[in-house]
Order: sequence, then structure tokens, then C-alpha cells
Amino acid sequence: AQSVSQHNHHVILSEAASLELGCNYSYGGTVNLFWYVQYPGQHLQLLLKYFSGDPLVKGIKGFEAEFIKSKFSFNLRKPSVQWSDTAEYFCAVNPQWGGGGTASKLTFGTGTRLQVTL
Amino acid sequence: DGGITQSPKYLFRKEGQNVTLSCEQNLNHDAMYWYRQDPGQGLRLIYYSQIVNDFQKGDIAEGYSVSREKKESFPLTVTSAQKNPTAFYLCASSSRSGSYTDTQYFGPGTRLTVL
Repeated sequence: AQSVSQHNHHVILSEAASLELGCNYSYGGTVNLFWYVQYPGQHLQLLLKYFSGDPLVKGIKGFEAEFIKSKFSFNLRKPSVQWSDTAEYFCAVNPQWGGGGTASKLTFGTGTRLQVTL
Repeated sequence: DGGITQSPKYLFRKEGQNVTLSCEQNLNHDAMYWYRQDPGQGLRLIYYSQIVNDFQKGDIAEGYSVSREKKESFPLTVTSAQKNPTAFYLCASSSRSGSYTDTQYFGPGTRLTVL
């Protein structure tokens, strides 16, 4: 079974610092990749996704992620974080199973809690 | 206003009681999902349904049951057989019949506490 690793469990940054959150997955085939964000007291919402094409994906609120197939990675980046980015961030993978794909079965990482200080 | 609603937001039950969590969507999505979120463990898939009257077990289905009688609704029952039911439960849906290229959209969640 596939797995997703998020190595940073808790990250504390000052406002304006740059952010990079790691995400690695273990699956050798074609995958779709997602980053979701859960702001305090709010729904889990989609930040960005990669299906195919340009491996550098831009999402909402200035976030971007780069898919590096050779490293099985999909790291999330933001050049300058804001206090409002304080949230929990989840990486998720949806592999394309054989036969043209079946259900959208996401495997999530354990999440990274980001705390941005003023 | 389209979206996914889950009720109630907080739910308390005594040990040994079954409890049903509600999930409704008005997005006209075909597929629906139930996840469980525990601190430090991310989200784990309990059950999913690609179409009405059909559903499949996810990774941690033991102690749970679901039904999908209507496209809009996918209730989850936490039975007394679930050994550790206290958790945050999230419902999600996606537009096509669970194709791997789908994007899942999430509801606000129900926090269940079993006393």
C-alpha cells in the first residue's frame, strides 16, 4: 500500500520567512498529488493539486509546489509567510491504479502544523 | 450556496451506544467519502461510495457502517464494535464517480466524543 510522509510535524516561522514543507510518497506508478490546508476552526480546503504537465504547480494564497518524480516528492513552498497562514497542512496522494483508474482514494500524510509568529 | 454539511458539529455518546453522523451535499457529486482524523495521524479513509446503493470499505472500516440511499446523503454509523470511536470525522465528495483524477471537497466535520 502507498504511504505519504510529511517529515515536519510542527514548524514555527516568523512572518515574512520562507516556507518549505516536505512531502514524500511511496508509489511507483502514476499519481495525483494534493496539498490541503485546515485553518483553525475551518473546513479542510484544497490548496493546490498536480495531475500532469508542468511539475511546478501554483495554488491559492501564493503557495506553490513542485513535483519531482525521481524523488517521489511534492514539497510545498511559499516565499513569504503571513500570520494568517497559521494552519495545518496535509499532503495527499491518489494513485492511478491499473485499468484506467478506479476510485479517488486519497492517502494522507500525518500533517504539518505551521505556526507563524508576528 | 453549494457545499457539504455535517451535523452535528459536536456529538457526545455513552460507550456501547451506536451513533449516526450525518453528511449531506448539494454539489450534485457522485462520490462521497468518510474519513477519520486523529491527532498526529492525518486522515484515514473509513468508507467511500461511488454511486447510489453502492459503497466500499476503506482502510479502517471495522466498527463502522454506511448507507447510500440518496445521491445527496451518506450517513456514517459508529457502532459499539468500534474500539476507539472518539475522533474528528470528515465527510467529503467528488464530482465524478470516484475517478482517480477527482478532487475531493470536505465538510466541516463532526467531533465525536464517547464517554
